[in-house]
Amino acid sequence: EAGVVQSPRYKIIEKKQPVAFWCNPISGHNTLYWYLQNLGQGPELLIRYENEEAVDDSQLPKDRFSAERLKGVDSTLKIQPAELGDSAVYLCASSLSYRDTQYFGPGTRLTVL
Amino acid sequence: DAKTTQPNSMESNEEEPVHLPCNHSTISGTDYIHWYRQLPSQGPEYVIHGLTSNVNNRMASLAIAEDRKSSTLILHRATLRDAAVYYCILRSTTSGTYKYIFGTGTRLKVLA
Repeated sequence: EAGVVQSPRYKIIEKKQPVAFWCNPISGHNTLYWYLQNLGQGPELLIRYENEEAVDDSQLPKDRFSAERLKGVDSTLKIQPAELGDSAVYLCASSLSYRDTQYFGPGTRLTVL
Repeated sequence: DAKTTQPNSMESNEEEPVHLPCNHSTISGTDYIHWYRQLPSQGPEYVIHGLTSNVNNRMASLAIAEDRKSSTLILHRATLRDAAVYYCILRSTTSGTYKYIFGTGTRLKVLA
């Protein structure tokens, strides 16, 4: 069974540019998560989706970050415009439901110059 | 949200058992204890979880203290591929959200 797929794996952009990350969860998983991981730290939740509904986005910086999960499967996380402090790894995870074990993708490492 | 405390780093010799401790003195009765590990350049990987009783699976064993204020992840025979950051997480059920609260984890170094 395929795991959580993320692309791109690496992205380098200049500050003030837009950037988007894509996630394809494990088939049949209704819950999808986006996490931010800074160097040397554990992941921090940005947003959680139940199917296509964002049910917990309290930690998402809404002035520059946005996310969508059309049709309740794939998801995209966008930053516009990117700032130097956004350099980090962006992880996507999915689970059958919000009560179940989360499975993580490999992440996208973003470098903002 | 309940927090966990882990040593920053540990070392083990290859093929020896490893005991990774975790303190969670503010755990509530419905919080599950989860362990994940993260290999370099990869996302966290599920290892094991439990509520009250000790648990075993093909990857590891989880020993939970009787008062649930601490737990220990046991790798029975460490290999070089077990070198990773190990996270002890309380899956908090506050407000029904079942959040994972990650700490900074324990970096395990396995010596050949």
